[in-house]
Amino acid sequence: SQTIHQWPATLVQPVGSPLSLECTVEGTSNPNLYWYRQAAGRGLQLLFYSVGIGQISSEVPQNLSASRPQDRQFILSSKKLLLSDSGFYLCAWSYKTGYEKLLFGSGTQLSVL
Amino acid sequence: GQNIDQPTEMTATEGAIVQINCTYQTSGFNGLFWYQQHAGEAPTFLSYNVLDGLEEKGRFSSFLSRSKGYSYLLLKELQMKDSASYLCAVMDSNYQLIWGAGTKLIIKP
Repeated sequence: SQTIHQWPATLVQPVGSPLSLECTVEGTSNPNLYWYRQAAGRGLQLLFYSVGIGQISSEVPQNLSASRPQDRQFILSSKKLLLSDSGFYLCAWSYKTGYEKLLFGSGTQLSVL
Repeated sequence: GQNIDQPTEMTATEGAIVQINCTYQTSGFNGLFWYQQHAGEAPTFLSYNVLDGLEEKGRFSSFLSRSKGYSYLLLKELQMKDSASYLCAVMDSNYQLIWGAGTKLIIKP
């Protein structure tokens, strides 16, 4: 069966510090991968998605970046965190058939202080 | 622009039935999804509708009317564990998901 791992679960970082969140998928190959952010009490905001290694699409201009160094690995990074980067970050994957549901990792609660 | 509307919060009683509505205006339509999200956790998939009508899965049912841009999620025999946020999402013509802000459902004993 397919599983998605995301870590860490909780992170407290000072303003101006770097960020690296990692997500890996097991049990499937060549998935679509996604990074979402959810502010408290708000809907999901798509940050990045990837259809293959090295292929990243950015949905929102910001100081975050994403990379896909391996087929089933997706990394969200920042060189300098802002207060506004605080939120609940979710990695997700789907099959490539177009109509498939997203399956989410357990999420990372990021607090930038 | 693209828009998904759902009520911010609803309250219901344990054992009762509740209907959570979702209306949408999107560029094209390739299906509508409902997800459940408990506080502090990731969303989990509940249902997918692409054709008009009712889809039933145990205590949960989801309805779609494409001509009206409308869906609802029906929860029967409510249990305390059903207290969660329910997210409606529509897949547009580019196969991108447009998300509603979610409906927080509070279940009272």
